Parts: sequence; C-alpha cells; structure tokens
Amino acid sequence: KAGVTQTPRYLIKTRGQQVTLSCSPISGHRSVSWYQQTPGQGLQFLFEYFSETQRNKGNFPGRFSGRQFSNSRSEMNVSTLELGDSALYLCASSRAPTGEETQYFGPGTRLLVL
Amino acid sequence: GENVEQHPSTLSVQEGDSAVIKCTYSDSASNYFPWYKQELGKRPQLIIDIRSNVGEKKDQRIAVTLNKTAKHFSLHITETQPEDSAVYFCAALLNTPLVFGKGTRLSVIA
Repeated sequence: KAGVTQTPRYLIKTRGQQVTLSCSPISGHRSVSWYQQTPGQGLQFLFEYFSETQRNKGNFPGRFSGRQFSNSRSEMNVSTLELGDSALYLCASSRAPTGEETQYFGPGTRLLVL
Repeated sequence: GENVEQHPSTLSVQEGDSAVIKCTYSDSASNYFPWYKQELGKRPQLIIDIRSNVGEKKDQRIAVTLNKTAKHFSLHITETQPEDSAVYFCAALLNTPLVFGKGTRLSVIA
C-alpha cells in the first residue's frame, strides 16, 4: 500500500507570498493532520481534518488554513509568508480521528522563506 | 496550555547499553501515548504506543511504561545498536490533538 505523499517536497518563497501544500493520505485513511517542525519548537500541531471537517486547530495565526477534499486529500495554505514560517511541514494520516488509530507521516515539504 | 516535557534532549550510550527517555504530560485525561523515531532527513515513524488502560508494553528491544498517577511515561531501548541513533519524540493525546515533546537525540557509539 502506498504511503502518505506530500507535494512539493521543497519550496522557496519570499516574504509576503502565499503557498499551498498538498498531502495525499494512505488509501482508506480519512483523517489528515498537519504539523510544523522546526529545530527550536519541535513538532507543533496545525490542524486536523476528518471526513472533510476540521476537528481541531492548533495555536497558529489565521494566515494558516487548510481543507480536505472528498477523496481525503488535504491542502494547507499559508498566506503573507514570514521568515519564521520556514520549516518542515509534515502531514500524517490515519483511518480514524487522531488517537484512535496509528498516524503515519508523509516525507514533508521543506519551505524556505527568504 | 497543554504540554509534554521530554528529557533528556540528548543522550549518548555505548552500543549494547540501554537507553531511557522520559516524558511528562499535563492533562490527566490523556489516554494515548505514541513514540516516534525520526532519522536524519526522514519522516517520523511510529515505533511503539501505549494506551492508558495498560501500564507497560514491549516489542522486542523496545518497551514503554506508563504511570498515570504521576503523569509520566518512558521509552526503554535495550541492547542498543548504531541504527538506533535518531531523534525520538514522545507524544500525548491532549484534548484531541497529539502534542509532541521536543525530542531526544540518541547517539549510539560503536
């Protein structure tokens, strides 16, 4: 079974631009969570979607948004990029909402904001 | 807010020795505690998890113990090997999202 995939894998943007990242979960998985990973803060929860509904949102500004499609694929968008948004963005999928089933991570999208 | 504290941040052990990583959490209602291993440049991978109705779980050289009263859980790796070198993250399900510890960089010296 194919694993979680994320596109693009690498991205360079400048301050003020916006970016959209994509996550394709494992087939049959309906839950997708997004995390931001930085050396200083570790893995921080952004949001979780289950069956196209946002279940939970982390403590990030409104510039960070996401959505999930009927095929469970998810996108996250960051508008008005800031230097501090440079990070590895990981998504993870599971069959059921977080905690009920094992979460599997994608390879991540590394975003550099200049 | 809800948080997970993880110690130590770095750990070096000789090959064959044991390694122990400890985490504490703030929400007594937490009921799910996974551990992830992340090798350099790779995605985090689940290595073991435990639910609150169990005090200990073992999988070959890896074990996790949970003390709900004290709100802490630990990862134990026995007979460490060089391929165990990685960053290990604990996590707790705190009020729905998974909250991760800051990670422990484990180095196994041959």
